[in-house]
Amino acid sequence: GQNIDQPTEMTATEGAIVQINCTYQTSGFNGLFWYQQHAGEAPTFLSYNVLDGLEEKGRFSSFLSRSKGYSYLLLKELQMKDSASYLCAVMDSNYQLIWGAGTKLIIKP
Amino acid sequence: ETGVTQTPRHLVMGMTNKKSLKCEQHLGHNAMYWYKQSAKKPLELMFVYNFKEQTENNSVPSRFSPECPNSSHLFLHLHTLQPEDSALYLCASSQDGGTPTYEQYFGPGTRLTVT
Repeated sequence: GQNIDQPTEMTATEGAIVQINCTYQTSGFNGLFWYQQHAGEAPTFLSYNVLDGLEEKGRFSSFLSRSKGYSYLLLKELQMKDSASYLCAVMDSNYQLIWGAGTKLIIKP
Repeated sequence: ETGVTQTPRHLVMGMTNKKSLKCEQHLGHNAMYWYKQSAKKPLELMFVYNFKEQTENNSVPSRFSPECPNSSHLFLHLHTLQPEDSALYLCASSQDGGTPTYEQYFGPGTRLTVT
């Protein structure tokens, strides 16, 4: 079966760095997405990785290792507004997104 | 209006009612999706329309019936639902459902409660 695993909840301090991990097992691979979802709001796109390596976009970076079925989202200089759920999703061979359950990130002052 | 809109935002219905959820996208996209989001569970893909043709139906019960009259509008018709169908129903769109690099844009969702 297809499976996406990520931690249920993480806590970090304002101004710090946090890494959210995601491991996957899917039938085929056409890229990995990270989305941010604030409570009561729609998910919004953060990043897309299809090749191995690190993609940096401002305070957020996303890493992919296809051989290990592993990705992480790195958030630097954390702000209170980064408190949200972070969803990992893999596009399978049928171009359908397989989603993880999301990681709830709590930022403390 | 911009982006993806959904109406209603909240809906309470009895198990014998019939109701419809509406989604509209103003992005010029060709693919539209219905997802179900339950607490602490992964997003569940329900239906996909690409260029107005249904390309995916992930074993969704027949009490959920989608309709896509054009590339900008998507409906989800509901009838004789069960309490376990209570969830957040999200609509999304993307440029092309068959191309991996296009991200999906989500609407704010309809919070459905079945009593």
